Amino acid sequence: DAGVIQSPRHEVTEMGQEVTLRCKPISGHNSLFWYRQTMMRGLELLIYFNNNVPIDDSGMPEDRFSAKMPNASFSTLKIQPSEPRDSAVYFCASSLALGTSGSHQETQYFGPGTRLLVL
Amino acid sequence: AQRVTQPEKLLSVFKGAPVELKCNYSYSGSPELFWYVQYSRQRLQLLLRHISRESIKGFTADLNKGETSFHLKKPFAQEEDSAMYYCALISGTYKYIFGTGTRLKVLA
Repeated sequence: DAGVIQSPRHEVTEMGQEVTLRCKPISGHNSLFWYRQTMMRGLELLIYFNNNVPIDDSGMPEDRFSAKMPNASFSTLKIQPSEPRDSAVYFCASSLALGTSGSHQETQYFGPGTRLLVL
Repeated sequence: AQRVTQPEKLLSVFKGAPVELKCNYSYSGSPELFWYVQYSRQRLQLLLRHISRESIKGFTADLNKGETSFHLKKPFAQEEDSAMYYCALISGTYKYIFGTGTRLKVLA
C-alpha cells in the first residue's frame, strides 16, 4: 500500500482563488482526518469523517472551508475564497476505528501533506 | 480545557548526550498519549503510545499522572534522531490534540 496519498504536494495561488486539496486514505480505513499545520499553532484538527460521514467539523476555521468525502477512497478540502492567512501545510490522515460508532481508534497514518501558499 | 503543552520549540543536544523532550497535558479523565515524529522530508508517523509501554528506537516515555506529564527520553542521542516531535492525546474516542511540537537537533 502506498499509504495515504495527497495531491497536490505544493500549491501556490492568489488571494481570492479557490483551492481544492485531495486525499486518498489507506484502503480499508474507515476514519479520515484533515489537519492544518502552522508554526504558531502546530497541528490542528479541521474535520473528522467516519464511514464517509462528517462527525466533527468544529475545527473548520470558517465558512470559506468545506470538506467532502463522497466515497471511502476519496476526500477533498476546499477553500473558497482563499486568503494569505490560509497558508499552511494541510495533512490528511486515516485510521481504522473499531468498536461501536468508532469508539476505539487505531494508529493514524498521515499523508505527505500539501504545502499551500496564498499570495 | 484539554491541552497538550510542549514548552520547548527547539532542543539541541550533542551526539551521545541524554535527551528529554517535555510534554505536559491537561485532560479530565484517563488520557491516552502518543508521541509522533516527523523526520526531514518524511511523513508524520507514530513513534510510541503509552499503553504499549514499549521502547522504539531507544526512546521511552512514561505517563506520570501526578505531574500530568509524558516526557520522551533517550539515554544517548544519535544524529538520525534529529526531527520534529509531537506529543498528542486522544480526547474522547477519536480527537487527537497535538502539542505545537519540539524540533530536536542532535549535533555531531
